[in-house]
Amino acid sequence: KQEVTQIPAALSVPEGENLVLNCSFTDSAIYNLQWFRQDPGKGLTSLLLIQSSQREQTSGRLNASLDKSSGRSTLYIAASQPGDSATYLCAVTGGDGGATNKLIFGTGTLLAVQP
Amino acid sequence: DARVTQTPRHKVTEMGQEVTMRCQPILGHNTVFWYRQTMMQGLELLAYFRNRAPLDDSGMPKDRFSAEMPDATLATLKIQPSEPRDSAVYFCASGFGAEAFFGQGTRLTVV
Repeated sequence: KQEVTQIPAALSVPEGENLVLNCSFTDSAIYNLQWFRQDPGKGLTSLLLIQSSQREQTSGRLNASLDKSSGRSTLYIAASQPGDSATYLCAVTGGDGGATNKLIFGTGTLLAVQP
Repeated sequence: DARVTQTPRHKVTEMGQEVTMRCQPILGHNTVFWYRQTMMQGLELLAYFRNRAPLDDSGMPKDRFSAEMPDATLATLKIQPSEPRDSAVYFCASGFGAEAFFGQGTRLTVV
């Protein structure tokens, strides 16, 4: 059974710092990995999708990498801003023994960027 | 601006009542997911449809929950009878291919 873990569970940094969020998964036979952001009381916003043939994706100040063999992904946020404060979730598809697109989520990292 | 639309956004109901949550997926998407989010369990998959056919509803309590897609523009999640432990935020998501897009959720409170 695929399990997804995110470390740390919570993180507080001063504005301007670069930071890394970690995601690990137990079964490396995944199809894709997607990073989401969730603001309090809101839905999930897709940030980056890394398909199984890719090793990284970039969008603005965000960079996500994927190492399937080690079962890890990292989300790098450059020059953090208070507006980046949110919960960040990673989710994988596959690795569940079936050819489905269902997302299996990690527990999330709650990020607070202090002004 | 294509988005997944969920109604209602908030629902408070008494234990034992029927609850129906609706989702309008993004036009052209062929997969629809229902997830439940709680503080204790995080995001749990309840049901998953592809081309309107249910592919996986193993995460859904079958005795009280049901999920359907009467047509390509509507997915429903029904709870009958509702219980206080069903209180959570219910998310619908749709996708075509690898990426999934989420609605704003329905916050359900069963008292």
